[in-house]
Amino acid sequence: GQQVMQIPQYQHVQEGEDFTTYCNSSTTLSNIQWYKQRPGGHPVFLIQLVKSGEVKKQKRLTFQFGEAKKNSSLHITATQTTDVGTYFCAGPWYEGSQGNLIFGKGTKLSVKP
Amino acid sequence: DGGITQSPKYLFRKEGQNVTLSCEQNLNHDAMYWYRQDPGQGLRLIYYSQIVNDFQKGDIAEGYSVSREKKESFPLTVTSAQKNPTAFYLCATRATVSLNTEAFFGQGTRLTVV
Repeated sequence: GQQVMQIPQYQHVQEGEDFTTYCNSSTTLSNIQWYKQRPGGHPVFLIQLVKSGEVKKQKRLTFQFGEAKKNSSLHITATQTTDVGTYFCAGPWYEGSQGNLIFGKGTKLSVKP
Repeated sequence: DGGITQSPKYLFRKEGQNVTLSCEQNLNHDAMYWYRQDPGQGLRLIYYSQIVNDFQKGDIAEGYSVSREKKESFPLTVTSAQKNPTAFYLCATRATVSLNTEAFFGQGTRLTVV
């Protein structure tokens, strides 16, 4: 079945440093979604990328979707302590008429002030 | 998330007991999902449902059961057959199962077997 792999699993940075997490799919994706889960919280939707090569920005966060639509990245510029949490990518998966989201294992970001 | 209520927030269960986790939504979403989260394991799909009275097994359905008698409700029962039930359980919904709909998550239930 479809797999979504995410690296690194953990990332520790000093406040002000940049951070990047990468997501790779074993198959071509129709779209990719990114979520953030704060410590003790639940995942919250950040953004969706649909087009090949698409780049979207949300303040210090930059999201990219690969040309082949099999990989994606999330880059945070000048991290802040508020960026702490686990970032997940997710891709849609269908079997027959049944559809769900396949999540990567996430990248846990810690930021040292 | 507003509109998805999971209860209770914390649950303690003795070994050998079944326990039911509640998930209610008022978003009028068609699809509902149960995920299990363990440290370092990400989100693993237990069961999902696209319409009332229909549901499908996910990757780790063994030891769990669900029902979808109403559109708003998708309770998860953790049975005594589940060998390692201690985990954080998340319920999620999507408006439809079309390709471009995002997931909304409840606050989660943290289950501990004592």
